[in-house]
Amino acid sequence: QQQVKQSPQSLIVQKGGISIINCAYENTAFDYFPWYQQFPGKGPALLIAIRPDVSEKKEGRFTISFNKSAKQFSLHIMDSQPGDSATYFCAGSQGNLIFGKGTKLSVKP
Amino acid sequence: EAEVAQSPRYKITEKSQAVAFWCDPISGHATLYWYRQILGQGPELLVQFQDESVVDDSQLPKDRFSAERLKGVDSTLKIQPAELGDSAMYLCASSLNPTNSPLHFGNGTRLTVT
Repeated sequence: QQQVKQSPQSLIVQKGGISIINCAYENTAFDYFPWYQQFPGKGPALLIAIRPDVSEKKEGRFTISFNKSAKQFSLHIMDSQPGDSATYFCAGSQGNLIFGKGTKLSVKP
Repeated sequence: EAEVAQSPRYKITEKSQAVAFWCDPISGHATLYWYRQILGQGPELLVQFQDESVVDDSQLPKDRFSAERLKGVDSTLKIQPAELGDSAMYLCASSLNPTNSPLHFGNGTRLTVT
């Protein structure tokens, strides 16, 4: 399967800070790039998604930045809160989702 | 808000035994997926259904895994015989259609094979 590489593996941020998670993909046929948030014991939940014809998408405190030429995209969480502590997965899709390995985010009060 | 239902939440089984998981997707969702999530990794697709038909089972270990969605609604994933390496979270997801509509995941079945 085509890979989606995600970094960092874990991230610790102070409350109010900015959390940044990066992903790189290989398959140029991907046409949909979602981010999922997963809390312990729960299934992943769609957080925000972008298509490659857009360079940035913002929903509340969450922003995706997309660089098609570099085949990279990132999630920015502004004003990070302890409730944002979860594992975040990026994915790419041309039909089926290919997930990254996840980033465990801890937001310290 | 409608949810994808999965049962059981937890399953412990011995190696070489059979095990089955059940999923009831959100009403009206024609596309159903089974994913496997190994601890510390992202979900990996096992099988995708469109209504009652399998559209992708390329990553399903067919010598021991089987999946069905007989009436195009709920679905069952079976493993026989279970192996130690099958210990993982098995997630079911559904979507309105297969073309990049959002996936809604259930809370999964945590399988431990001893």
